[in-house]
Formats: sequence, C-alpha cells, structure tokens
Amino acid sequence: EPEVTQTPSHQVTQMGQEVILRCVPISNHLYFYWYRQILGQKVEFLVSFYNNEISEKSEIFDDQFSVERPDGSNFTLKIRSTKLEDSAMYFCASSQLTVSNQPQHFGDGTRLSIL
Amino acid sequence: DAKTTQPPSMDCAEGRAANLPCNHSTISGNEYVYWYRQIHSQGPQYIIHGLKNNETNEMASLIITEDRKSSTLILPHATLRDTAVYYCIVSLSGDDKIIFGKGTRLHILP
Repeated sequence: EPEVTQTPSHQVTQMGQEVILRCVPISNHLYFYWYRQILGQKVEFLVSFYNNEISEKSEIFDDQFSVERPDGSNFTLKIRSTKLEDSAMYFCASSQLTVSNQPQHFGDGTRLSIL
Repeated sequence: DAKTTQPPSMDCAEGRAANLPCNHSTISGNEYVYWYRQIHSQGPQYIIHGLKNNETNEMASLIITEDRKSSTLILPHATLRDTAVYYCIVSLSGDDKIIFGKGTRLHILP
C-alpha cells in the first residue's frame, strides 16, 4: 500500500539554525499538509498546500515557517531560525482531491530536537 | 477546538471487541465522522469514516446513530497492537485541516 515517507526520522539542530524537513506524499495525491506534536500534547495543524500555494495556515505557522514543493515528488517544511519551542514531532500528510471525503494519510514523522 | 467528546481512556481485554464511543451533538448534515488512531511514536493512521450509514472495512466498523449525534468505533477482535490513542473527528471533507482533540487512550490488556 502506498505511504507517505518523511526524512530524516530524527533531526538535531542548534537554536537559530535553519532546518528543512522533507516529505514524499502518496503519488496521486494533490493536497499536502504539515502538522506538529509537541511531546505529550495534541497534534496541531500547521499548513495545507494545494496547487502550489498555501490554502490555509494556523497561527503557529508564522514568518519563520515556509513550505515548498520543489519538484513533482517532494514537499518540504523549512524553519528559518529555529527556537527551543520548535522541538516537536512534525508530521506530513496528503490526500486525494478527486473525491472530497477521502481521508488524509500521514507519515511517521520527523522528530526535531533544538539544542 | 474539536467538535467531539470522547472518554479519555478505556481498557479492553485482548480478543474481545473494543467499542469506542464519540459524541458529536453539533454535527451538521454534510459533515463526515472520521476515526484515526496514533500508535506510540507513529503518525496518525486513518481507520474509517462515514456520513449516515454504518460502515465496515478490514480494520473496524463504524456505527452512527440515526440522529448522527454520536457514533461508536468497533474493533471486533482487539489485539495488543491496537493499543493506541483513538481520535474521532468531524469534518466537511477529508481534505479539511484536522483538528485533533485528546482522543481516547485504548489499553488492550493481555
């Protein structure tokens, strides 16, 4: 069964450094998402992306965050200048658009640790 | 905030059916009920969804009451691998952002 893959599985970065988290969505999916989960807390929506532009973003997704689909397969989340509070699991998800009630499929996440 | 209410935790004996309830009393006529689960250290996993009718797939069954104000997810023969946090989500469509609540932490007991 096709799946969403994320790399790396664990990223350790110094505070203030830029980090790029990578995702390969399921190949025929057209909607892409990033969520995060701080340890012990709920999964939180960050941003959704369709047709090469952001369709919706949360308050968490400030100017330090950006998303990109640089080619036909990858979907990336960049954090420009990381802060300690950015430490979390980051999950990528994708969904089909052809039928509106199709669910989202998630990757297993990247654990981001900011030192 | 999530538009659903779920018990914070439940226990179920291995091999028995696990019945997880969800209240969604403010659901509108065109909103679907989705269930996801999150096994420790993994990403959320889609289980099943429905609008009005009961649904069944290889993982679970979804029973939606006639007034659509509540539903029950049924895992027919729970195994230890079903230990996870289960989320009931109400959404207009699958591609809407998902607003996760705290879910139900299901413990399968050997």
